[in-house]
Amino acid sequence: KQEVTQIPAALSVPEGENLVLNCSFTDSAIYNLQWFRQDPGKGLTSLLLIQSSQREQTSGRLNASLDKSSGRSTLYIAASQPGDSATYLCAVETSGSRLTFGEGTQLTVNP
Amino acid sequence: NAGVTQTPKFQVLKTGQSMTLQCAQDMNHNSMYWYRQDPGMGLRLIYYSASEGTTDKGEVPNGYNVSRLNKREFSLRLESAAPSQTSVYFCASSEALGSIYGYTFGSGTRLTVV
Repeated sequence: KQEVTQIPAALSVPEGENLVLNCSFTDSAIYNLQWFRQDPGKGLTSLLLIQSSQREQTSGRLNASLDKSSGRSTLYIAASQPGDSATYLCAVETSGSRLTFGEGTQLTVNP
Repeated sequence: NAGVTQTPKFQVLKTGQSMTLQCAQDMNHNSMYWYRQDPGMGLRLIYYSASEGTTDKGEVPNGYNVSRLNKREFSLRLESAAPSQTSVYFCASSEALGSIYGYTFGSGTRLTVV
């Protein structure tokens, strides 16, 4: 059974800081890894998707990397802003378990 | 706007009542999913439909039934609601397994069973 772990569970940083969120998974036989953002009381917004054959993807101030062999991914957020405050979820897709989620990292960016 | 639409957004049920959560997508996706989200448990897959005409159990299927009505619609039914089914329910869709476009989620249904 695929298991996904995200560290840290919560993170509070001052505005402008660069930060890294971590995700690890137990079964490396994945199709892809997807990072989502969830605002309080809202649905999930897709941020980045990395296919299993890729090493990284970038979108604006966000960069996600994937090391499939070691079962790890990182989400790098540059020059953080208060509007980045949200819960960030990592999820991996496999044929058996479909999309399996970590519990998320709750990020607070303080002005 | 293209996407996944869930109804209702909020619902309160009494123990033992039944209800159906509706989900529709307009992206011509083949696969559809139902997840529940609980504090400390993350999102867990209840049921999924890989393609029209098929449904399969996920991680937590007990107490639920699903129907893939057509390619667009995938409903989740609670036959006899229990307080343990209080949760936020999300419907999602994807083009297919391993799609480069990933999953698209609806905005959720917040269900309380009293």
